[in-house]
Amino acid sequence: QKEVEQDPGPLSVPEGAIVSLNCTYSNSAFQYFMWYRQYSRKGPELLMYTYSSGNKEDGRFTAQVDKSSKYISLFIRDSQPSDSATYLCAMSAGGYQKVTFGTGTKLQVIP
Amino acid sequence: NAGVMQNPRHLVRRRGQEARLRCSPMKGHSHVYWYRQLPEEGLKFMVYLQKENIIDESGMPKERFSAEFPKEGPSILRIQQVVRGDSAAYFCASFPLRDTNEQFFGPGTRLTVL
Repeated sequence: QKEVEQDPGPLSVPEGAIVSLNCTYSNSAFQYFMWYRQYSRKGPELLMYTYSSGNKEDGRFTAQVDKSSKYISLFIRDSQPSDSATYLCAMSAGGYQKVTFGTGTKLQVIP
Repeated sequence: NAGVMQNPRHLVRRRGQEARLRCSPMKGHSHVYWYRQLPEEGLKFMVYLQKENIIDESGMPKERFSAEFPKEGPSILRIQQVVRGDSAAYFCASFPLRDTNEQFFGPGTRLTVL
């Protein structure tokens, strides 16, 4: 079993839809949870960064962490064609511990 | 403030040659991760470096691969005697403090082994 599981998609939605992206994990030591966006043939860019459980909102993006279920989500409201990319979840226990990435979910927002 | 820089962006090598990938972190960042990404796969951790120190190299193959981050100059990922299976995108990411996970990624080096 992988430490971090993420549905690879692809996920196709119409413009304006609410998108829900999810990851599950098995390592209860994880405390830091991140979401990255990666456009084709580019480096990942950090979208959201959350410590421990709870919600965090930034514009059209909301990150949720449920440590009791070992489940994290990223919601994108009013999705735009420019949101079409691969979304990677990432997590770590902090300190010198390495960051573990999910395999990424490919999202396509159709105009 | 320049972001993380990687060069070359594209590198073609024949089997058996050496590949040397460079990463210049963001100004003020003293920690670097190297990752490998295969098509349709996520980022695989290779090595975590602090200036003049290897923190964690558990993701790096023991043979042919080495990494360094000297006091001055870029971090270097070296792959000796490359094989076709080494073809991938290699990303580095930097961050300033030992306990932050807010990593800033470079654009990657795409290695093709013929």
